[in-house]
Amino acid sequence: GQNIDQPTEMTATEGAIVQINCTYQTSGFNGLFWYQQHAGEAPTFLSYNVLDGLEEKGRFSSFLSRSKGYSYLLLKELQMKDSASYLCASTSGGSYIPTFGRGTSLIVHP
Amino acid sequence: NAGVMQNPRHLVRRRGQEARLRCSPMKGHSHVYWYRQLPEEGLKFMVYLQKENIIDESGMPKERFSAEFPKEGPSILRIQQVVRGDSAAYFCASSPGAPGTGELFFGEGSRLTVL
Repeated sequence: GQNIDQPTEMTATEGAIVQINCTYQTSGFNGLFWYQQHAGEAPTFLSYNVLDGLEEKGRFSSFLSRSKGYSYLLLKELQMKDSASYLCASTSGGSYIPTFGRGTSLIVHP
Repeated sequence: NAGVMQNPRHLVRRRGQEARLRCSPMKGHSHVYWYRQLPEEGLKFMVYLQKENIIDESGMPKERFSAEFPKEGPSILRIQQVVRGDSAAYFCASSPGAPGTGELFFGEGSRLTVL
């Protein structure tokens, strides 16, 4: 397995910044996905990191450190609609099929 | 361009019955993936198919579960003789190219309840 580890739940205030961490096994690592999933809906793609560093996409940014087996998703200027589950998924070995963690449930309150 | 379409969205079966879940990938996508999501659990990979071929079924239970993706029509995940533990959300995803060439696009899932 790829031992994806991320916090179960986080809470934050509207307008604030929140960082959701994810660690994974580095053996055979290819790349790391972040998806957003609202309750009862389809997971939607946020980012895919292969190289070290920070990739910014509007209010959302994703960071990867391959040597540390660590990634984070940074959400700025939080809005109520950002309340959702955030899924970290890594690919490794020759299959490149994403293996997902349990997801982090983010609750944004006023 | 319609997204990944799954049906039925909700399915109720009694123990011992069969469940058939259908997935139509996005237009132009020939790679299909099935995942299962239990309450409070992550998405667990089950099977990856390309038109008419099962490429990777390493996550599929050995018994009662089967999947196909025929030349014409949707991909089907079939669960025979369902048990209560099969109750879950089953998500289908598709991609235009092989895994690793881009993101997976997910459908809204089929929620199976076994009574």
